[in-house]
Amino acid sequence: DVKVTQSSRYLVKRTGEKVFLECVQDMDHENMFWYRQDPGLGLRLIYFSYDVKMKEKGDIPEGYSVSREKKERFSLILESASTNQTSMYLCASSLMLGANVLTFGAGSRLTVL
Amino acid sequence: AQKVTQAQTEISVVEKEDVTLDCVYETRDTTYYLFWYKQPPSGELVFLIRRNSFDEQNEISGRYSWNFQKSTSSFNFTITASQVVDSAVYFCALNTGTASKLTFGTGTRLQVTL
Repeated sequence: DVKVTQSSRYLVKRTGEKVFLECVQDMDHENMFWYRQDPGLGLRLIYFSYDVKMKEKGDIPEGYSVSREKKERFSLILESASTNQTSMYLCASSLMLGANVLTFGAGSRLTVL
Repeated sequence: AQKVTQAQTEISVVEKEDVTLDCVYETRDTTYYLFWYKQPPSGELVFLIRRNSFDEQNEISGRYSWNFQKSTSSFNFTITASQVVDSAVYFCALNTGTASKLTFGTGTRLQVTL
C-alpha cells in the first residue's frame, strides 16, 4: 500500500525553537506538498516541491522554509517557532502537477507554547 | 482567482438518513478539475472523486453520488443511507489544470449518530 509518512503525530515546542517536520513517501512521486490546516480556514498550501532541490512558495510561506535533498523526503522547517504556527500540518505527494490526485500523510499536530 | 465555498460548517444526521454536502466554486478558467476528499478522525485525507469541467455527468459509487452543475458552479456530494463510519470532515477542492496547487474549501464536518 502506498504511503506518505509523517515522522511525528504530535509535537510541543517553545516559542523561538527551530522545528523540523519530516515527510517521506514511498511512491516515487515527483511532487510533494506541505499544507497547514486550521479550523474555519481549510487547507492552505505553504510550499511545494516538483523535483529534488526545487521548491516553490504556496499561499502562506512566511515563517517557513523547506528542504528536499532526496526525492522521497520533504522537510518543513520553522526557523523560529511562534504561537501562531500552532496548527495541523499535512504533507502530501503526487505523481504529476496539475490535476493529479494527492496522497496525504496522517498529519503532524504542532503546539507552540 | 479561484475559490471554493463550503457553506455548511457542520451537519448532524441520524444513521440511515440521506445527507448532501454543498460545494460552490469560482474560477475564470474553462478547464478545471473538482475533487472531494474525506478526512476521518485518524487525520489522513482520502481521495474520493475527481471531475473535469467537460464532464457534467453525475456519478454514483455505492452510497455516494456527486452532482456537478456548471450552470450553478456547484459540485455537491450526497451520501445515501448514511452510516456512522461516514463521520468525517469532507473537503471540496478545485484545480485549474495548469496550476500546480489545489484550492480547498473550509470543509464540512459530518456527524452521523445511531
